[in-house]
Amino acid sequence: DARVTQTPRHKVTEMGQEVTMRCQPILGHNTVFWYRQTMMQGLELLAYFRNRAPLDDSGMPKDRFSAEMPDATLATLKIQPSEPRDSAVYFCASGLVLAGEGTDTQYFGPGTRLTVL
Amino acid sequence: AQSVAQPEDQVNVAEGNPLTVKCTYSVSGNPYLFWYVQYPNRGLQFLLKYITGDNLVKGSYGFEAEFNKSQTSFHLKKPSALVSDSALYFCAVRDIPTGRRALTFGSGTRLQVQP
Repeated sequence: DARVTQTPRHKVTEMGQEVTMRCQPILGHNTVFWYRQTMMQGLELLAYFRNRAPLDDSGMPKDRFSAEMPDATLATLKIQPSEPRDSAVYFCASGLVLAGEGTDTQYFGPGTRLTVL
Repeated sequence: AQSVAQPEDQVNVAEGNPLTVKCTYSVSGNPYLFWYVQYPNRGLQFLLKYITGDNLVKGSYGFEAEFNKSQTSFHLKKPSALVSDSALYFCAVRDIPTGRRALTFGSGTRLQVQP
């Protein structure tokens, strides 16, 4: 049963510290998404990759957030420096886009619950 | 721009009764529509999607959804609710012409099924 995995599942840190969240997409998937979930804002897209290339990071605060895909099996989301308002659950999702087709379904990981004190 | 509205924060239904969770959308072209479910402390799980074809889409766990283009709705339904269906349900849309593959999610509806 293929799944998206995320580490860590929980992270508590102090304001100003660097936070790195990792995601392993489903093997063979070529799209990766990072979402943030908060009570106030709901689910928001932060970044989107296709074939490891960033295609949309318009939802991500550029001054402190960065997202990368070092290889096809690893996506990272980094916050530096972290702030209390970054406290949220961060979800990674992956999908498979075939040439000429647009019906990819996104499969979500379990999320990383981040608390910034 | 694409948007989704889930007008009910919570839906309460008795076990065995039919349930409906409402969703309306707004897109500039034709939509791809999705339903996801989230259990406590878990990620979102895919339930079903509408791409094209029959307006009634069947998905996991006995759920189905009806696409209504004239009313721009995509309500989630189940003929007989189970206590284990209690969870948070999200409707999502993607606007085909824009090519933006990211989904826009609704605010979520909490379904509570009473025994």
